[in-house]
Amino acid sequence: GQQLNQSPQSMFIQEGEDVSMNCTSSSIFNTWLWYKQDPGEGPVLLIALYKAGELTSNGRLTAQFGITRKDSFLNISASIPSDVGIYFCAGQWSGNFNKFYFGSGTKLNVKP
Amino acid sequence: SQTIHQWPATLVQPVGSPLSLECTVEGTSNPNLYWYRQAAGRGLQLLFYSVGIGQISSEVPQNLSASRPQDRQFILSSKKLLLSDSGFYLCAWLPLGNTEAFFGQGTRLTVV
Repeated sequence: GQQLNQSPQSMFIQEGEDVSMNCTSSSIFNTWLWYKQDPGEGPVLLIALYKAGELTSNGRLTAQFGITRKDSFLNISASIPSDVGIYFCAGQWSGNFNKFYFGSGTKLNVKP
Repeated sequence: SQTIHQWPATLVQPVGSPLSLECTVEGTSNPNLYWYRQAAGRGLQLLFYSVGIGQISSEVPQNLSASRPQDRQFILSSKKLLLSDSGFYLCAWLPLGNTEAFFGQGTRLTVV
């Protein structure tokens, strides 16, 4: 299957700091999604991106669909302790039975 | 409303025993359904996907199989579990005509 390269693998930051993580792929995608997973839970959708160049915000979260359609980034501003978790990017190409491929995740730790 | 149910939440099984995990979706018709596996500290690996009843595609060769006996039911099975089958199994669904996938709560499988 497809592999998405997500970085960084983990982050340790202070509360109030901004965070940035990104995802790259060797294949183009029609849709990029960003999920957050809390321990022992299923991933929850944060942001969905549908067009190359699109910049979308959801509260303190901002994500962009790369122009090449092979990358995306997620920014979290003014982090708070409840931002702790694992963040996953996912890419989807509608011509491939709508299969979603996930990055390896970015584990975020926020120190109060 | 549209919801997804996955059970059991946790499972401890001996090596060589069979496995059956069930996922059902409510409030929708003709969803795409997916099974993912997440090894400890790793990303999500797509195992199977289904675009309709009886239509199963395998993403990677393995000791598992999947079936879709009804439109909104997706089952993950194994005849004989291996230690390497341990992990967090997630069912996901894609509503018809949508491009955002939603996850169940997951099943933590430990093979001992």
